[in-house]
Parts: sequence; structure tokens; C-alpha cells
Amino acid sequence: EPEVTQTPSHQVTQMGQEVILRCVPISNHLYFYWYRQILGQKVEFLVSFYNNEISEKSEIFDDQFSVERPDGSNFTLKIRSTKLEDSAMYFCASSTGPFLPYGYTFGSGTRLTVV
Amino acid sequence: EDQVTQSPEALRLQEGESSSLNCSYTVSGLRGLFWYRQDPGKGPEFLFTLYSAGEEKEKERLKATLTKKESFLHITAPKPEDSATYLCAVQKDNTDKLIFGTGTRLQVFP
Repeated sequence: EPEVTQTPSHQVTQMGQEVILRCVPISNHLYFYWYRQILGQKVEFLVSFYNNEISEKSEIFDDQFSVERPDGSNFTLKIRSTKLEDSAMYFCASSTGPFLPYGYTFGSGTRLTVV
Repeated sequence: EDQVTQSPEALRLQEGESSSLNCSYTVSGLRGLFWYRQDPGKGPEFLFTLYSAGEEKEKERLKATLTKKESFLHITAPKPEDSATYLCAVQKDNTDKLIFGTGTRLQVFP
């Protein structure tokens, strides 16, 4: 069964450093998403991306965050200057369309720890 | 403000002991309600989508139902492998983002 692949599975970084989280969506999917889950809290929407541009973003997704699809297979989330409160599990998801009855396929996540 | 609330937070069941998980929502312009399963250290795994009040969906021991204010996930004769966190999420009209609840952590003991 096709999977969304995320790397690394766990990343530890120092406060103020830049991090790039990587995702390989399912190959025929066109819509891409990042969500995050702070330990013990809800899964929260960050951003959706379609046709090489951001289609929607949340208030969490400020100027410190950016997304890119640098080639035909990868989808990345960059955090420019990490803060302690950025520590969370970050999930990438993809879909063939935004309003489909079978939802999105999520990856297994990257656990980001900012120290 | 849009809200999704799940109850209970945690549920312990004996194998074979049926029960229900609740998801109540206050959302303007609901497009659909989703149920996901999440295992520890993993991403959410899609279970069901419900679109209109009265709709029901079934998969193995799980059945999801929807009213205008809430959804239930009924689990019949659960097995230990059903242990997971069950997440409810809503999607509004004109947006593809999902608004999640905090989940119900289900543990099924043999």
C-alpha cells in the first residue's frame, strides 16, 4: 500500500537553529499538508499546498515557517529559527484532492525536539 | 468559535465489552466529519468520513454515526488490537483543513 514517508523520524536541534523536515508524498497525489501535534495536545493544521503554492495556512504558520516542493517527489517544511515551543510531532499528509471521502494519508511523523 | 470535543479522554474495556466514543462539534458549515485511528508514534490512519445527519459507516467491529451535533464511534466486541487513540476531525465548507479533537485513548484488555 502506498505510504507517505517522513525523514528523519526524530530530530533534536538547538534553539535558534534552522531545521528542514522532509516528506515524500504518495506519487500521484497533488495536495500536500503539514500538521503538528504538541505532546498531549490536538493535531493542528499548519499549511496546505497545491500547484506549487500555499493554498491555506493557519495562524501558527508565521514567517518562521516555509514550505517547498523542490522537485517532483519531496515536500519540505522549514523552520528558520526554532523555539522551544516548536517541539512537537510534525505530520506530513497528501491527497489526490481536497474534499475526498477517504481523507488524507498521513506519514508517521518527525518528532522535533528543540533544546 | 469552531470546536471539536471528544469524550471520554480514556477508555478501558475488557475484550468483548462493547462501548461508544463520542465526538461533539460546533462548526458553521460542516462539509464532513472524519474518524481516524492513531497508534503510538504513528500518524493518523483514516477510518471513516460522514457527511450528513443520519449517515452510518461500518468497518469490521467499528460503526460511525452522525447527528447534527455529534458523532459516535461504536465498537462492538473489541479486541486488544483495537487499542489505539481514536481521533475525530471536521472539515468545513470552502477549506480543506481538518480541525481535530483531542482524541479518546482506548485500551482493550484480554
